[in-house]
Amino acid sequence: IAGITQAPTSQILAAGRRMTLRCTQDMRHNAMYWYRQDLGLGLRLIHYSNTAGTTGKGEVPDGYSVSRANTDDFPLTLASAVPSQTSVYFCASSPTGFTDTQYFGPGTRLTVL
Amino acid sequence: GQQVMQIPQYQHVQEGEDFTTYCNSSTTLSNIQWYKQRPGGHPVFLIQLVKSGEVKKQKRLTFQFGEAKKNSSLHITATQTTDVGTYFCAVSSYGQNFVFGPGTRLSVLP
Repeated sequence: IAGITQAPTSQILAAGRRMTLRCTQDMRHNAMYWYRQDLGLGLRLIHYSNTAGTTGKGEVPDGYSVSRANTDDFPLTLASAVPSQTSVYFCASSPTGFTDTQYFGPGTRLTVL
Repeated sequence: GQQVMQIPQYQHVQEGEDFTTYCNSSTTLSNIQWYKQRPGGHPVFLIQLVKSGEVKKQKRLTFQFGEAKKNSSLHITATQTTDVGTYFCAVSSYGQNFVFGPGTRLSVLP
């Protein structure tokens, strides 16, 4: 049982390129989340999904898009990467949503040059 | 929007000393969670508090939710080197997604 997996582990990307960060969970959790973590700012919510087929915007959604075609997968896409998107990205899931424990993946370290 | 502060930002303690971090919200909360992130790792859930004045203990860790449900504290008794990491609170106000605080980074000197 893997829990939550993220890919890639790390990536260096040229500005302007398109990039998709992958997230897969095997816990059959309904809710999934994408956060970015920057030093001194904690974790900031980018997008979330309360159930397959629905998504919502978090605190910092600009420049990012998500989809939730099924329960297990929740990819995050940067359509045209910019240096300010350099960060560590964490995917998380919770059984039902808002008040649940969140289980985090190992993270993806992204550098945009 | 929701404002969450954590103090202190950093804390260095000698092994065996106690440690406390505080989480303060600008609004009344329905839930507060605490997470620990080891250096290079990912956040791991520790506890959730939902009741005014609630106190929960996990071995050497004591968590408290303020009476007004606007603040919380995490106290570690007799720190060990395994306690090293960043402690985050995450707060929710009635049907809203959790908002994470900036964290308190704990260093424990052996």
